[in-house]
Amino acid sequence: EPEVTQTPSHQVTQMGQEVILRCVPISNHLYFYWYRQILGQKVEFLVSFYNNEISEKSEIFDDQFSVERPDGSNFTLKIRSTKLEDSAMYFCATAGYGYTFGSGTRLTVV
Amino acid sequence: GEDVEQSLFLSVREGDSSVINCTYTDSSSTYLYWYKQEPGAGLQLLTYIFSNMDMKQDQRLTVLLNKKDKHLSLRIADTQTGDSAIYFCAEADFGNEKLTFGTGTRLTIIP
Repeated sequence: EPEVTQTPSHQVTQMGQEVILRCVPISNHLYFYWYRQILGQKVEFLVSFYNNEISEKSEIFDDQFSVERPDGSNFTLKIRSTKLEDSAMYFCATAGYGYTFGSGTRLTVV
Repeated sequence: GEDVEQSLFLSVREGDSSVINCTYTDSSSTYLYWYKQEPGAGLQLLTYIFSNMDMKQDQRLTVLLNKKDKHLSLRIADTQTGDSAIYFCAEADFGNEKLTFGTGTRLTIIP
């Protein structure tokens, strides 16, 4: 069964550093998403991406965040200057006929 | 904005049925989902229902939708220890739109 692959599975970074989270979508999916889940809380929508541009973003997705599809396959989420409160599990999801989530990247900002 | 609410905890004896409830506010919700999250793991899609359906059954899982009351439930028959997890309901207006998740219900199985 096709999978959404996320790397790394766990990343520890110092406050103020830039991080890039990577996702390999299912090959025939056209819609891409990032969600995050702060420990013990609900899953929150960050951004959706279609046709090489952002289609919707939440208020969480401020200027510190960006997404791109640099090589036509990977889908990345960049956080420019991480804050302690960015510590969370970040999920990539893709949708074609149905939604599929990756297994997540646990980001810890220290 | 949209809001999806669930009770936080549910404890059920092994072998009994579990019923997890969810309410939502968005009247244009078309797709309603149930996801399972085991400790430290990702989100596993269990089942989904379209808003023009009242019920969907899939093996031990039964989803009931009361669109008038905006109430969704997931029934797990013959609950097993492997069913211990957090269960999230989620809604979307269209199949490829963003999902709005509920707070999650932690299901604990009592031996």
